[in-house]
Amino acid sequence: DTGVSQNPRHKITKRGQNVTFRCDPISEHNRLYWYRQTLGQGPEFLTYFQNEAQLEKSRLLSDRFSAERPKGSFSTLEIQRTEQGDSAMYLCASSLLVVTEAFFGQGTRLTVV
Amino acid sequence: AQTVTQSQPEMSVQEAETVTLSCTYDTSESDYYLFWYKQPPSRQMILVIRQEAYKQQNATENRFSVNFQKAAKSFSLKISDSQLGDAAMYFCAYRSRGSGGSEKLVFGKGTKLTVNP
Repeated sequence: DTGVSQNPRHKITKRGQNVTFRCDPISEHNRLYWYRQTLGQGPEFLTYFQNEAQLEKSRLLSDRFSAERPKGSFSTLEIQRTEQGDSAMYLCASSLLVVTEAFFGQGTRLTVV
Repeated sequence: AQTVTQSQPEMSVQEAETVTLSCTYDTSESDYYLFWYKQPPSRQMILVIRQEAYKQQNATENRFSVNFQKAAKSFSLKISDSQLGDAAMYFCAYRSRGSGGSEKLVFGKGTKLTVNP
């Protein structure tokens, strides 16, 4: 197992387009988290899943954002009608049910032009 | 809501010397975890050290140790014998531990550590 994998690593899109990111967690990790990190800031929580259930969503996750984790394996984060303010690094992390450590992926850097 | 504050945007240290990164937090909870994460340039964030709030003993991981002051809500990271590979952004983070608490990590804004040869 090579850790948490995120694709693509970089995405440049035009304002108004839709984008989708994928996260493959470490095998057997039940919990999967999405964070957003803008330049000069720490990561901000967006949402998390326990298996396929989305248990918590941040108010940062506007109605243009949607996340899914079908079958409790990989997860996708979709942003509709992208805005320049969506430009950020989107981080995914996973952890075991009863273990506190979260392992992070390398992130997807989104640039909206 | 919990908050985490890192008051040092940047720090520098000479190789082989010791440096301390500061972190304070605010919470009304009594049961929680505190973490220090390291984020090297263009690489993923990795856990450096963690502390359970109910433990009085400060956590230590090789050259990394913390000074956890629960009453003062302070959680500093000490790096001894600094190495060039320690250069990175360091984030302090908080997570609830009690039942029904949120599982999200709350991060500070980070401290950029430079290690000078």
